[in-house]
Amino acid sequence: DQQVKQNSPSLSVQEGRISILNCDYTNSMFDYFLWYKKYPAEGPTFLISISSIKDKNEDGRFTVFLNKSAKHLSLHIVPSQPGDSAVYFCAATDGDNLFFGTGTRLTVIP
Amino acid sequence: NAGVTQTPKFQVLKTGQSMTLQCAQDMNHEYMSWYRQDPGMGLRLIHYSVGAGITDQGEVPNGYNVSRSTTEDFPLRLLSAAPSQTSVYFCASSYSGTVTYEQYFGPGTRLTVT
Repeated sequence: DQQVKQNSPSLSVQEGRISILNCDYTNSMFDYFLWYKKYPAEGPTFLISISSIKDKNEDGRFTVFLNKSAKHLSLHIVPSQPGDSAVYFCAATDGDNLFFGTGTRLTVIP
Repeated sequence: NAGVTQTPKFQVLKTGQSMTLQCAQDMNHEYMSWYRQDPGMGLRLIHYSVGAGITDQGEVPNGYNVSRSTTEDFPLRLLSAAPSQTSVYFCASSYSGTVTYEQYFGPGTRLTVT
């Protein structure tokens, strides 16, 4: 059973606008959350993370929000750029294992 | 720094054959792991190691063996390949002995079992 879910397989956004990628999880023992970005024929690369003791973490154009009561996190990209087009994976850990979502393919249209 | 390297990039096996996927890192990372990526399933952890001589099972370990004799290398062995093992395999490493820190992934090995 998938413990980390990304219910939107794909998302298209105009260049310059905001991209919002969503992720839900079921395990209340998860205490750290990460986002990875993946280009075709490459391995995933780490993007941004957040601890369960925080509700927001920002790094340049990327912001991750965590809502523990809803078991939901989201990644905001502002402004979106064509180079952001990739598959984005949400991941969560309980300290032992890292569980990934199924990914959301983001396409930023110039 | 080459980072995390994986060989081969592509492999086709017949059912029942065995093979070893190679993974090496030159960042002196203690933690290394293997994942498989399947359509609609995301990445799933197969095995991991928190240091030389120490390995443990992840979410989907059946049909795979690992060993960690050096800090740099973490090979993944398929004992008797099955079509269900057709997948893209990624090796990853990180500074910490836990998974909480960012992991560096290799470029992947695409395996097809016929």
